[in-house]
Formats: sequence, C-alpha cells, structure tokens
Amino acid sequence: SQQGEEDPQALSIQEGENATMNCSYKTSINNLQWYRQNSGRGLVHLILIRSNEREKHSGRLRVTLDTSKKSSSLLITASRAADTASYFCATDADSGGGADGLTFGKGTHLIIQP
Amino acid sequence: NAGVMQNPRHLVRRRGQEARLRCSPMKGHSHVYWYRQLPEEGLKFMVYLQKENIIDESGMPKERFSAEFPKEGPSILRIQQVVRGDSAAYFCASSITGYYNEQFFGPGTRLTVL
Repeated sequence: SQQGEEDPQALSIQEGENATMNCSYKTSINNLQWYRQNSGRGLVHLILIRSNEREKHSGRLRVTLDTSKKSSSLLITASRAADTASYFCATDADSGGGADGLTFGKGTHLIIQP
Repeated sequence: NAGVMQNPRHLVRRRGQEARLRCSPMKGHSHVYWYRQLPEEGLKFMVYLQKENIIDESGMPKERFSAEFPKEGPSILRIQQVVRGDSAAYFCASSITGYYNEQFFGPGTRLTVL
C-alpha cells in the first residue's frame, strides 16, 4: 500500500449517520492532515494532527492517530448532504529536514444520501 | 483575506504547446508547493519552492517541467511541449513556514491537452 492510503475507497450512508474513514501510512511522520475535495473543486484543509497527539476534535470532526499502527481515522458525526465529497489524508514524512511536500492517498469518496 | 489563488482555472492546449500555470500564495506565506492530480488518483507532490529558491523538486518530471517563485509575483509552473499525459489538475498550496506546516490549497488549474 502507498503512503497515506484511505479506506474504504467509497462510502455511502444516510444523512444523520456517522461516517468513519481510515488512513494507513508506511513511514514515520511529523503530522497527518485530512482534506476534503468537493467535485471539481480544490482541496479544503480539515484538520491537522501531530505525531505526538492521539485525538483531535473540530466541530463534527474527530480524528485519531495511532503511530504504533501507522493509522488514522476521520469520524464525521451527524452527517449532512453537504458532507458529500472526497476525503484525503496526507502525511508529512519525518525525513530529517527533507522535502516538505505532503503525500496524499487516493481518497475516500463519501456520499451522504438524504 | 484572499486564499491561495490559481489561474487560469481551466487551460486547454494542443500537443506541443506550452502551458503556464500561476499561483499566488496566501498573504504572508513564502512557501509554495505544486501538486498534480491525475484522474481517479490522489495528489502527487511535484515541487516545493521558497522565494527565489527551489527547495525540493524530487517530484518533478525530469524534462519539460519547470517551476519558479520570483521575488515579486506569483509562482509559475511551466510545462513545455505538452503531451496528452500531462492532462491533470494542478494544485498549488502555500504555508507560512516550511516545517510542521499546514498547507492551504488553491482551487487548482485543470489542464486539458488535445
């Protein structure tokens, strides 16, 4: 699997339900970020969690990070139709001062059914 | 407080022509990153620049692609002699600092090569 790989690839749930997406990565990281991309639009930054943090909240979003398992999850509670989008995790690898580019996965496509 | 701006939003070129993509970072941001998103794929890091310097171009194709971030003006991603495989969405991001950074993304430029 590639660095920053999301699971599942696609998820369809009813409005009001909770949506959980997972991300796995391979190398040590400085931080992990989640982004949302609406169809045909640019990326929107949702939340950043540092490698020394285990959980972070922002509104209806909850992100967890397990560095021992090299995985993260994004939970969206009480989903709304407007949450329909692709969600990407991105890792900032701990490369000892090297490149600062993020590595993205292919994303989870979330569909919220009204 | 304008976000990251990219132009044009859509660009159509014929094979062999040149494509110039522009990115104006957020105010106060001196770090710029370019990413490419091929259809049905995640974003791939291309290059990281600070003002007048290329910090990391490890994701840039060796030929035909170049990037600059002059002291004044936007960052430019230049693709010479475009081929159909260059058709993609190109995203620019900017950040205040280059480490442990939160990158803010522009809306992207969608390049179509005929």
